[in-house]
Amino acid sequence: GAGVSQSPSNKVTEKGKDVELRCDPISGHTALYWYRQSLGQGLEFLIYFQGNSAPDKSGLPSDRFSAERTGGSVSTLTIQRTQQEDSAVYLCASSSTLTSEAFFGQGTRLTVV
Amino acid sequence: KQEVTQIPAALSVPEGENLVLNCSFTDSAIYNLQWFRQDPGKGLTSLLLIQSSQREQTSGRLNASLDKSSGRSTLYIAASQPGDSATYLCAGDTGGGNKLTFGTGTQLKVEL
Repeated sequence: GAGVSQSPSNKVTEKGKDVELRCDPISGHTALYWYRQSLGQGLEFLIYFQGNSAPDKSGLPSDRFSAERTGGSVSTLTIQRTQQEDSAVYLCASSSTLTSEAFFGQGTRLTVV
Repeated sequence: KQEVTQIPAALSVPEGENLVLNCSFTDSAIYNLQWFRQDPGKGLTSLLLIQSSQREQTSGRLNASLDKSSGRSTLYIAASQPGDSATYLCAGDTGGGNKLTFGTGTQLKVEL
């Protein structure tokens, strides 16, 4: 596809369940970001992948959160034992080393009930 | 730790006005700077990118500039329209493959 694709677009889950959010970056982009945006709030950085370097995980809020990027392309953000405070829109972005311009997907709206 | 402040936090203007949004970084060593807009319930749309060798960029009615000595950027919107109503975010990195850090955003409303 031409842009960053995220799936699902919406996810409702019960408290305590695990969820997986998927991000397909733009082909050829080496950098991939995950951010979280709670209702009415700014963007909260979660994790950053750049090529083959070790990811910057400094923004992950707890050890219930993890992410991986397979083959330098698709990324999955996993939240274990979800809590109500995890409810937010999770945004993914990718960029190339040539221009550094970041492009965002439409996000996954996660609701924990 | 890089922190980014955007002023004003909210702005309401009548249609047709020219306006300026401000963004400042605590670490002025900004390498690339990008401005985005976010419409309610949507993702972010890239507006302008100022790369490391540049000082400003223009696209249509939008002009963004970056003063690297002070770590400040401005987004100028000419002849504002109701369709410009959105939240505007700036973001910058410090190069070397480092992550983008986002500002707090300016919520703009352009009224008829």
